[in-house]
Amino acid sequence: AQSVTQPDIHITVSEGASLELRCNYSYGATPYLFWYVQSPGQGLQLLLKYFSGDTLVQGIKGFEAEFKRSQSSFNLRKPSVHWSDAAEYFCAVVTGNQFYFGTGTSLTVIP
Amino acid sequence: DAGVIQSPRHEVTEMGQEVTLRCKPISGHDYLFWYRQTMMRGLELLIYFNNNVPIDDSGMPEDRFSAKMPNASFSTLKIQPSEPRDSAVYFCASAQELQPQHFGDGTRLSIL
Repeated sequence: AQSVTQPDIHITVSEGASLELRCNYSYGATPYLFWYVQSPGQGLQLLLKYFSGDTLVQGIKGFEAEFKRSQSSFNLRKPSVHWSDAAEYFCAVVTGNQFYFGTGTSLTVIP
Repeated sequence: DAGVIQSPRHEVTEMGQEVTLRCKPISGHDYLFWYRQTMMRGLELLIYFNNNVPIDDSGMPEDRFSAKMPNASFSTLKIQPSEPRDSAVYFCASAQELQPQHFGDGTRLSIL
């Protein structure tokens, strides 16, 4: 069965440090891949998406993600984290007419 | 673009009462999704529509839940009768074909 796995439930990083959030998917073909961010009390906001082409995609707020077919991964990265990046991050996969969200990774940023 | 609009933002009601959540998708979007988010279960897809037709309702927890989309600009999620375990944040999202989903700000539902 298709699935999306975010192995890290919670991550804490210092402000200014780099960040990588992991996402793995299980699907035979290349799905459409997304990263969303959710701030407290808010809905989910799209950070970036991958459909095809260049495997390194740039998103909003300085985020990027790299699709690695061999690893079935779509990890989210940011070179320097800001305190305002503290939020919940969700990886999502669309395959055919099926939609899957990961369980989310909660990011805490410490001064 | 007004985005996805959900109402009410907050709902507090007693168990056994009927609850109706409303959603107005982004104009031109042909997919509409209803999600439930809790600390225990995370984000769960309840049902989604394509061109106003329910496509997959396998996530609807039980017969107390029902969803309708009478036209392209309006959908409801109804719980009758409501129970305390239905307390959650309910999100509506819309999308155009397989483009990313746009989420509303959610309805925070508390069943006492």
